Amino acid sequence: GAGVSQSPSNKVTEKGKDVELRCDPISGHTALYWYRQSLGQGLEFLIYFQGNSAPDKSGLPSDRFSAERTGGSVSTLTIQRTQQEDSAVYLCASSSSWAGEIYGYTFGSGTRLTVV
Amino acid sequence: AQSVTQLGSHVSVSEGALVLLRCNYSSSVPPYLFWYVQYPNQGLQLLLKYTTGATLVKGINGFEAEFKKSETSFHLTKPSAHMSDAAEYFCAVSGSSTLTFGKGTMLLVSP
Repeated sequence: GAGVSQSPSNKVTEKGKDVELRCDPISGHTALYWYRQSLGQGLEFLIYFQGNSAPDKSGLPSDRFSAERTGGSVSTLTIQRTQQEDSAVYLCASSSSWAGEIYGYTFGSGTRLTVV
Repeated sequence: AQSVTQLGSHVSVSEGALVLLRCNYSSSVPPYLFWYVQYPNQGLQLLLKYTTGATLVKGINGFEAEFKKSETSFHLTKPSAHMSDAAEYFCAVSGSSTLTFGKGTMLLVSP
């Protein structure tokens, strides 16, 4: 697609429920990143996919968080047993191969998650 | 490990005044540096980047930034603020495989 697409744009869920957030990167971009943006905390790295390599999961805050990327394209971030502290904007970005570090990322508009 | 410090969570300027948003970084290797802007309810948009070469880089919307290695800084400036510049600005530094972002500075522009 022309840009990075994220869905849903907003999600309200009850504490304890599972949620899935979707990211569709720019066509041909092999690198995909998930970040979490909390008020006053900037962007927190969560996970990074590069082609067929094993993902870098070093930023996932707990084992309730997981992500997968099917066919090297669409990615889903899953949060199990959501907690109120999970409320944030979840941003997805993509870049072409190794170039993200040099040329920057293209971000989606994010999913605003509210846990009530 | 890399890190970014943005001085001031909020900066207020009058329309037409100079904009200066401060960014200091820490990196164990020569860094690539970025500024992104985020408008309300939108994702981040790349404003400008420093990779190699000229230390003064120009970006979109009249913004520019200067890489100063001796000061480990990459401050963002614009000579004359417009109301449309009101947004949150993030500085970022390259790492081993990802970008590390600062906590952001909200720019407020008053008429």
